[in-house]
Amino acid sequence: DIQMTQSPSTLSASVGDRVTITCRASQSISSWLAWYQQKPGKAPKLLIYKASSLESGVPSRFSGSGSGTEFTLTISSLQPDDFATYYCQQYNSHTWTFGQGTKVEIK
Amino acid sequence: QVQLQESGPGLVKPSQTLSLTCTVSGGSISSGSYYWSWIRQPAGKGLEWIGRIYTSGSTNYNPSLKSRVTISVDTSKNQFSLKLSSVTAADTAVYYCARDASFVEMAFDYWGQGTLVTVSS
Repeated sequence: DIQMTQSPSTLSASVGDRVTITCRASQSISSWLAWYQQKPGKAPKLLIYKASSLESGVPSRFSGSGSGTEFTLTISSLQPDDFATYYCQQYNSHTWTFGQGTKVEIK
Repeated sequence: QVQLQESGPGLVKPSQTLSLTCTVSGGSISSGSYYWSWIRQPAGKGLEWIGRIYTSGSTNYNPSLKSRVTISVDTSKNQFSLKLSSVTAADTAVYYCARDASFVEMAFDYWGQGTLVTVSS
């Protein structure tokens, strides 16, 4: 099974900061990686698919990069609405696996 | 706009079978372009994929849950369902259904709002 490791687990940042979250796969997953944002009591929302493609309607301050085993989600200028938990997700051999999540908190 | 809505009992006794249904609106579950997945999230914890089904009835399951999970589809009702047998307190979680866009985006693009299922006597 492929394991996904996100870092950091928690991130404290201020409005306007540039924020980067990393997701590492235990083996190569090509570009089959997605990123989601989840707010308390809500379902996750798709932000990025295929590692770097921005989902329709998602602000351009969100971007994704990487391939193989290392991926990053970047928020170029953190906004008040962006304080949430972020998850990466990978697909391999007909199964999906999520990372453990990164909580972005107000500094 | 595609919408998904989970439904089912909010309380299940230990050792019994958890049963949930996801009703899809705004699009046909038979379109052939998507899988349909179940995901769960225990309180304060991360997301766990449970399994998925294609319109043909073909399924894939999380290996860690495979022995207890059955996912089925009813195209006439535009619904798909989850059964999880022999539940314990560890199965207490919010259960989500989602559209699995594996053929296009390789991600889950639409989600239900989630339903809390508590396993307790």
